[in-house]
Amino acid sequence: QKEVEQNSGPLSVPEGAIASLNCTYSDRGSQSFFWYRQYSGKSPELIMFIYSNGDKEDGRFTAQLNKASQYVSLLIRDSQPSDSATYLCAVEKYTGNQFYFGTGTSLTVIP
Amino acid sequence: GAVVSQHPSRVICKSGTSVKIECRSLDFQATTMFWYRQFPKQSLMLMATSNEGSKATYEQGVEKDKFLINHASLTLSTLTVTSAHPEDSSFYICSASGTGAPYEQYFGPGTRLTVT
Repeated sequence: QKEVEQNSGPLSVPEGAIASLNCTYSDRGSQSFFWYRQYSGKSPELIMFIYSNGDKEDGRFTAQLNKASQYVSLLIRDSQPSDSATYLCAVEKYTGNQFYFGTGTSLTVIP
Repeated sequence: GAVVSQHPSRVICKSGTSVKIECRSLDFQATTMFWYRQFPKQSLMLMATSNEGSKATYEQGVEKDKFLINHASLTLSTLTVTSAHPEDSSFYICSASGTGAPYEQYFGPGTRLTVT
Protein backbone atom coordinates (compact mmCIF):
# COMPACT_ATOMS: atom_id res chain seq x y z
CA GLN A 1 0.00 0.00 0.00
CA LYS A 2 1.34 3.41 -0.93
CA GLU A 3 1.69 5.96 1.82
CA VAL A 4 -0.36 8.50 -0.11
CA GLU A 5 -2.87 7.63 -2.80
CA GLN A 6 -4.43 9.96 -5.30
CA ASN A 7 -6.53 9.31 -8.34
CA SER A 8 -4.20 10.19 -11.21
CA GLY A 9 -7.09 11.43 -13.33
CA PRO A 10 -7.31 13.17 -15.64
CA LEU A 11 -10.16 15.04 -14.02
CA SER A 12 -12.02 17.43 -16.29
CA VAL A 13 -14.48 20.04 -15.10
CA PRO A 14 -16.17 22.91 -16.92
CA GLU A 15 -15.17 26.46 -16.11
CA GLY A 16 -17.04 27.76 -13.08
CA ALA A 17 -17.67 24.31 -11.62
CA ILE A 18 -16.31 22.85 -8.40
CA ALA A 19 -13.32 20.56 -8.76
CA SER A 20 -12.91 17.94 -6.05
CA LEU A 21 -9.53 16.31 -5.50
CA ASN A 22 -9.08 13.45 -3.08
CA CYS A 23 -6.23 11.86 -1.19
CA THR A 24 -5.92 9.01 1.29
CA TYR A 25 -2.94 8.23 3.47
CA SER A 26 -1.73 5.30 5.52
CA ASP A 27 0.41 6.81 8.29
CA ARG A 28 -2.05 7.30 11.16
CA GLY A 29 0.51 9.36 13.02
CA SER A 30 0.65 12.06 10.36
CA GLN A 31 -0.46 15.43 11.63
CA SER A 32 -0.06 17.89 8.78
CA PHE A 33 -1.32 17.73 5.23
CA PHE A 34 -0.48 19.88 2.25
CA TRP A 35 -1.78 20.57 -1.22
CA TYR A 36 0.58 21.66 -3.97
CA ARG A 37 -0.13 22.69 -7.53
CA GLN A 38 2.35 21.86 -10.25
CA TYR A 39 2.11 23.25 -13.74
CA SER A 40 3.74 21.28 -16.51
CA GLY A 41 7.49 21.81 -16.51
CA LYS A 42 7.41 23.83 -13.31
CA SER A 43 8.08 23.06 -9.66
CA PRO A 44 5.31 22.57 -7.08
CA GLU A 45 3.68 25.58 -5.50
CA LEU A 46 2.11 25.38 -2.05
CA ILE A 47 -1.63 26.07 -2.10
CA MET A 48 -2.51 25.42 1.51
CA PHE A 49 -2.07 23.11 4.46
CA ILE A 50 -4.38 21.71 7.08
CA TYR A 51 -3.79 19.93 10.38
CA SER A 52 -7.14 20.02 12.17
CA ASN A 53 -10.14 17.88 11.32
CA GLY A 54 -12.75 19.75 9.36
CA ASP A 55 -12.59 22.39 6.67
CA LYS A 56 -10.13 25.16 6.02
CA GLU A 57 -10.94 27.79 3.44
CA ASP A 58 -8.57 30.08 1.55
CA GLY A 59 -10.17 32.03 -1.25
CA ARG A 60 -11.54 29.62 -3.83
CA PHE A 61 -9.80 26.68 -2.17
CA THR A 62 -11.12 24.55 0.67
CA ALA A 63 -9.13 21.74 2.24
CA GLN A 64 -11.00 19.08 4.16
CA LEU A 65 -9.43 16.67 6.61
CA ASN A 66 -10.84 13.56 8.25
CA LYS A 67 -8.15 11.88 10.31
CA ALA A 68 -10.40 9.00 11.37
CA SER A 69 -10.90 8.06 7.73
CA GLN A 70 -7.34 9.10 6.80
CA TYR A 71 -8.72 11.25 4.06
CA VAL A 72 -7.91 14.73 2.87
CA SER A 73 -9.46 16.59 -0.02
CA LEU A 74 -9.19 19.86 -1.89
CA LEU A 75 -12.16 21.67 -3.37
CA ILE A 76 -11.66 24.36 -5.95
CA ARG A 77 -14.70 26.58 -6.41
CA ASP A 78 -15.41 28.58 -9.55
CA SER A 79 -12.74 26.64 -11.42
CA GLN A 80 -10.75 28.60 -13.99
CA PRO A 81 -8.73 27.37 -16.97
CA SER A 82 -5.65 28.64 -15.12
CA ASP A 83 -6.34 26.02 -12.45
CA SER A 84 -5.46 23.32 -14.99
CA ALA A 85 -2.45 21.61 -13.45
CA THR A 86 -1.39 18.56 -11.48
CA TYR A 87 -2.34 18.70 -7.81
CA LEU A 88 -0.08 16.94 -5.36
CA CYS A 89 -1.16 15.81 -1.94
CA ALA A 90 1.63 15.72 0.64
CA VAL A 91 1.46 14.17 4.08
CA GLU A 92 3.98 14.91 6.76
CA LYS A 93 5.59 11.81 8.16
CA TYR A 94 4.90 11.02 11.79
CA THR A 95 8.59 11.50 12.47
CA GLY A 96 8.20 15.05 11.28
CA ASN A 97 9.72 17.20 8.59
CA GLN A 98 9.69 14.82 5.62
CA PHE A 99 6.72 14.37 3.34
CA TYR A 100 5.08 11.50 1.59
CA PHE A 101 3.92 12.77 -1.80
CA GLY A 102 1.08 11.36 -3.83
CA THR A 103 1.54 10.86 -7.55
CA GLY A 104 -0.78 13.77 -8.26
CA THR A 105 -4.13 14.31 -9.94
CA SER A 106 -4.21 16.02 -13.30
CA LEU A 107 -6.99 18.59 -13.52
CA THR A 108 -8.22 20.19 -16.72
CA VAL A 109 -10.72 23.06 -16.57
CA ILE A 110 -12.55 23.35 -19.83
CA PRO A 111 -13.47 26.89 -20.92
CA GLY B 1 4.86 32.57 0.98
CA ALA B 2 8.55 32.01 1.40
CA VAL B 3 10.85 32.32 -1.61
CA VAL B 4 13.37 29.72 -2.65
CA SER B 5 15.67 30.26 -5.60
CA GLN B 6 17.61 27.73 -7.58
CA HIS B 7 20.48 28.20 -9.97
CA PRO B 8 20.98 27.38 -12.76
CA SER B 9 17.51 26.87 -14.18
CA ARG B 10 18.86 24.84 -17.08
CA VAL B 11 22.18 23.17 -17.68
CA ILE B 12 23.53 21.02 -20.45
CA CYS B 13 26.73 19.16 -19.78
CA LYS B 14 28.82 16.43 -21.32
CA SER B 15 28.91 12.94 -19.95
CA GLY B 16 31.57 12.55 -17.27
CA THR B 17 31.54 16.14 -16.08
CA SER B 18 30.18 17.44 -12.78
CA VAL B 19 27.39 19.92 -12.27
CA LYS B 20 26.64 22.00 -9.19
CA ILE B 21 23.13 23.24 -8.42
CA GLU B 22 22.51 25.90 -5.80
CA CYS B 23 19.39 26.28 -3.70
CA ARG B 24 18.82 29.39 -1.61
CA SER B 25 16.08 30.41 0.79
CA LEU B 26 15.78 34.15 0.24
CA ASP B 27 13.58 35.39 3.05
CA PHE B 28 13.71 32.78 5.78
CA GLN B 29 16.16 30.49 7.49
CA ALA B 30 15.84 26.97 6.19
CA THR B 31 16.58 24.48 8.90
CA THR B 32 16.10 21.67 6.47
CA MET B 33 16.47 21.46 2.72
CA PHE B 34 15.35 18.64 0.50
CA TRP B 35 16.45 17.56 -2.95
CA TYR B 36 14.04 15.89 -5.30
CA ARG B 37 14.27 14.50 -8.78
CA GLN B 38 11.38 14.28 -11.19
CA PHE B 39 11.33 12.41 -14.47
CA PRO B 40 8.77 13.34 -17.14
CA LYS B 41 5.20 12.55 -16.16
CA GLN B 42 6.32 11.00 -12.89
CA SER B 43 5.97 12.12 -9.32
CA LEU B 44 8.60 13.76 -7.16
CA MET B 45 11.24 11.42 -5.84
CA LEU B 46 13.03 12.49 -2.68
CA MET B 47 16.76 12.06 -3.05
CA ALA B 48 18.06 13.41 0.23
CA THR B 49 17.34 15.53 3.25
CA SER B 50 19.92 17.93 4.61
CA ASN B 51 20.06 19.86 7.83
CA GLU B 52 22.33 22.85 8.20
CA GLY B 53 25.75 21.82 9.39
CA SER B 54 25.03 18.10 9.22
CA LYS B 55 25.63 15.38 6.68
CA ALA B 56 22.75 14.76 4.34
CA THR B 57 20.51 11.74 4.76
CA TYR B 58 20.08 9.93 1.46
CA GLU B 59 17.09 7.88 0.41
CA GLN B 60 17.56 4.26 -0.41
CA GLY B 61 19.02 3.77 -3.86
CA VAL B 62 20.54 7.25 -4.11
CA GLU B 63 24.33 7.18 -4.33
CA LYS B 64 25.78 9.65 -1.90
CA ASP B 65 29.13 9.68 -3.67
CA LYS B 66 27.46 10.61 -6.92
CA PHE B 67 25.07 13.22 -5.57
CA LEU B 68 27.06 15.36 -3.18
CA ILE B 69 25.02 17.60 -0.93
CA ASN B 70 26.33 20.45 1.15
CA HIS B 71 24.18 22.55 3.49
CA ALA B 72 26.73 25.00 4.82
CA SER B 73 24.35 27.71 6.00
CA LEU B 74 20.71 28.24 6.87
CA THR B 75 20.09 29.77 3.46
CA LEU B 76 22.17 27.72 1.06
CA SER B 77 22.36 24.09 0.01
CA THR B 78 24.16 22.71 -3.03
CA LEU B 79 23.77 19.51 -4.97
CA THR B 80 26.68 18.36 -7.10
CA VAL B 81 26.07 15.65 -9.65
CA THR B 82 29.46 14.07 -10.16
CA SER B 83 30.51 12.25 -13.32
CA ALA B 84 27.12 12.85 -14.85
CA HIS B 85 25.69 10.37 -17.32
CA PRO B 86 22.72 10.67 -19.69
CA GLU B 87 20.52 8.72 -17.28
CA ASP B 88 21.05 11.54 -14.75
CA SER B 89 19.15 13.89 -17.06
CA SER B 90 16.15 15.00 -15.08
CA PHE B 91 14.40 17.89 -13.35
CA TYR B 92 16.06 18.53 -10.00
CA ILE B 93 14.06 20.50 -7.47
CA CYS B 94 15.04 21.67 -4.04
CA SER B 95 12.71 22.65 -1.25
CA ALA B 96 13.25 24.30 2.09
CA SER B 97 11.42 24.29 5.38
CA GLY B 98 11.85 26.40 8.45
CA THR B 99 11.57 25.64 12.12
CA GLY B 100 8.41 24.50 13.86
CA ALA B 101 5.45 22.47 12.73
CA PRO B 102 3.75 22.34 10.32
CA TYR B 103 6.87 21.91 8.27
CA GLU B 104 5.58 23.26 5.01
CA GLN B 105 8.09 22.94 2.22
CA TYR B 106 8.67 25.72 -0.26
CA PHE B 107 10.06 24.65 -3.59
CA GLY B 108 12.64 26.27 -5.77
CA PRO B 109 11.87 26.66 -9.48
CA GLY B 110 13.90 23.58 -10.39
CA THR B 111 16.92 22.86 -12.55
CA ARG B 112 16.59 20.95 -15.77
CA LEU B 113 19.74 18.93 -16.33
CA THR B 114 20.54 17.42 -19.69
CA VAL B 115 23.61 15.24 -19.98
CA THR B 116 24.79 14.60 -23.53
